[in-house]
Amino acid sequence: DPKIIQKPKYLVAVTGSEKILICEQYLGHNAMYWYRQSAKKPLEFMFSYSYQKLMDNQTASSRFQPQSSKKNHLDLQITALKPDDSATYFCASSLRDKNSGNTLYFGEGSRLIVV
Amino acid sequence: GQGVEQPDNLMSVEGTFARVNCTYSTSGFNGLSWYQQREGHAPVFLSYVVLDGLKDSGHFSTFLSRSNGYSYLLLTELQIKDSASYLCAVKMPNYNVLYFGSGTKLTVEP
Repeated sequence: DPKIIQKPKYLVAVTGSEKILICEQYLGHNAMYWYRQSAKKPLEFMFSYSYQKLMDNQTASSRFQPQSSKKNHLDLQITALKPDDSATYFCASSLRDKNSGNTLYFGEGSRLIVV
Repeated sequence: GQGVEQPDNLMSVEGTFARVNCTYSTSGFNGLSWYQQREGHAPVFLSYVVLDGLKDSGHFSTFLSRSNGYSYLLLTELQIKDSASYLCAVKMPNYNVLYFGSGTKLTVEP
């Protein structure tokens, strides 16, 4: 059974609309992340949360807003969608401590296409 | 910016070996990880190194030289199923932020 669940797996959206990507993890981790992967570009860090608090934010646009209603949830709301937002969005989790922090567990991703 | 560079493609032959190179130039360093990613799937953790030298983990081995900003992932006794992209990621001192390279697509031929 998948331990990190992302929904939806595929999504087509219209320019200017708003969408929410869902992520739940059942690994008992205390840190969650969002990464983005566009065609032929590196996996790009967006946000990190620990115990539902924002720890790092490296996304320039305020159109991307993470939302954490529970410790094991980290959703991503994207407003005013643009075609350049088309990418696969990966949710990940880890234990937040010095020894295990390098092992990220990724969900299978939500592939977003903006037309 | 943070620079993590990898060659785009690498080809090798089943039963032999492949070395996937990674060079980095970042403002900080707190370890380097390797991930395997198959087409259309999530990255999967393979290895983490923070000290210089070779770390032998059987099928996968990793080497790090911090003074040269260089690492490689060595795959031995290659199988066709090793065909995938291999991502290098540098961990920054601020907890779990990883900067990834673009990945090297390894093709193992019969």
